[in-house]
Amino acid sequence: DAKTTQPNSMESNEEEPVHLPCNHSTISGTDYIHWYRQLPSQGPEYVIHGLTSNVNNRMASLAIAEDRKSSTLILHRATLRDAAVYYCILRPTGNQFYFGTGTSLTVIP
Amino acid sequence: NAGVTQTPKFQVLKTGQSMTLQCAQDMNHNSMYWYRQDPGMGLRLIYYSASEGTTDKGEVPNGYNVSRLNKREFSLRLESAAPSQTSVYFCASAKGPGQGLNEQFFGPGTRLTVL
Repeated sequence: DAKTTQPNSMESNEEEPVHLPCNHSTISGTDYIHWYRQLPSQGPEYVIHGLTSNVNNRMASLAIAEDRKSSTLILHRATLRDAAVYYCILRPTGNQFYFGTGTSLTVIP
Repeated sequence: NAGVTQTPKFQVLKTGQSMTLQCAQDMNHNSMYWYRQDPGMGLRLIYYSASEGTTDKGEVPNGYNVSRLNKREFSLRLESAAPSQTSVYFCASAKGPGQGLNEQFFGPGTRLTVL
């Protein structure tokens, strides 16, 4: 199963952009890249996903490298409510998600 | 819509006791999942049900059983609880398998302590 590598923790100042990296060098051609986040004491919530092209939604942007071996989740203006653990997940066309340990984002006021 | 609901929110068991964690979703989703999350760790899949009437093992199924009671409900049973099963348990649901999006919606979790 394809795995992902993320930094354990990152810090950002409030209202500044945040770039959360993810390496997935063993990604296969049919794996989708998903990002979820988990706020303290809550279940994870979906953030964004993509296959090959960069994606934008109201929460974030996802930049995918041309070779698909890495991706970056971009929060355009970090707020205190964005402090969470962010998980980068490869999702094959099946049922199983493998969450890994994620990146703990601290937002500094 | 309540989304995904889980009961109970908290539970303390003694070693050897049994209990069932309940999960229900009101989004007419086909697939449902049970995860556990240990302190400082990511989520690990215990069992999942791709559709009503089917269940499959995930990454860490030992010590657990599941029942997909109907399309809405998916329960997780611990027959003989062990301290190693102390964890936070999350239930999730999704529209169905084989789709690139297949966003999973998670419940609030059940915090289980086994003494």
